[in-house]
Amino acid sequence: EAQVTQNPRYLITVTGKKLTVTCSQNMNHEYMSWYRQDPGLGLRQIYYSMNVEVTDKGDVPEGYKVSRKEKRNFPLILESPSPNQTSLYFCASAGRNRAYGYTFGSGTRLTVV
Amino acid sequence: GQNIDQPTEMTATEGAIVQINCTYQTSGFNGLFWYQQHAGEAPTFLSYNVLDGLEEKGRFSSFLSRSKGYSYLLLKELQMKDSASYLCAVRGYGQNFVFGPGTRLSVLP
Repeated sequence: EAQVTQNPRYLITVTGKKLTVTCSQNMNHEYMSWYRQDPGLGLRQIYYSMNVEVTDKGDVPEGYKVSRKEKRNFPLILESPSPNQTSLYFCASAGRNRAYGYTFGSGTRLTVV
Repeated sequence: GQNIDQPTEMTATEGAIVQINCTYQTSGFNGLFWYQQHAGEAPTFLSYNVLDGLEEKGRFSSFLSRSKGYSYLLLKELQMKDSASYLCAVRGYGQNFVFGPGTRLSVLP
């Protein structure tokens, strides 16, 4: 089944403790992206990648890092999480067919206390 | 800058037709997308417009006017399961997708 898989689905952590949210897609898509979704603010793009080793900042990159060492994986790293990073995070991927936009993972609900 | 506007909430009756509007101002335009998102779930793709005009897909249609920076999503024969948020998104340069705030649609019996 074609899908985007992110883990974990739920995570509660403490301020300052480094964490990684993994994202993997099995559709051989070139493009991958991370979004956060907050009430009243909608989906905001954190980082995106147009191919292996090619990443760029989205609208809200502060406090996050990404890497794209392999085509299928695009992990999101929070080096020192803070409470304002409590949010619902989505990973998404898209292929070269521009008519299909992004396919989203199931989401990761992160709480930083 | 980039700005996308949609109404925050709409209510409609089962079996009716509803139109959800989206206006946008973005630097660069490479297509407009509509997504459906049920509470707590991932957004799912509904439609794509890159040229002006109407695209029809079953009960859902989407319209685009690039000169006016305007799109709408039309949902016909509403069903209870259509209660969800509907997100308008514009792709700018590369894969820079910008999403609107979403419109929460409630379908009443």
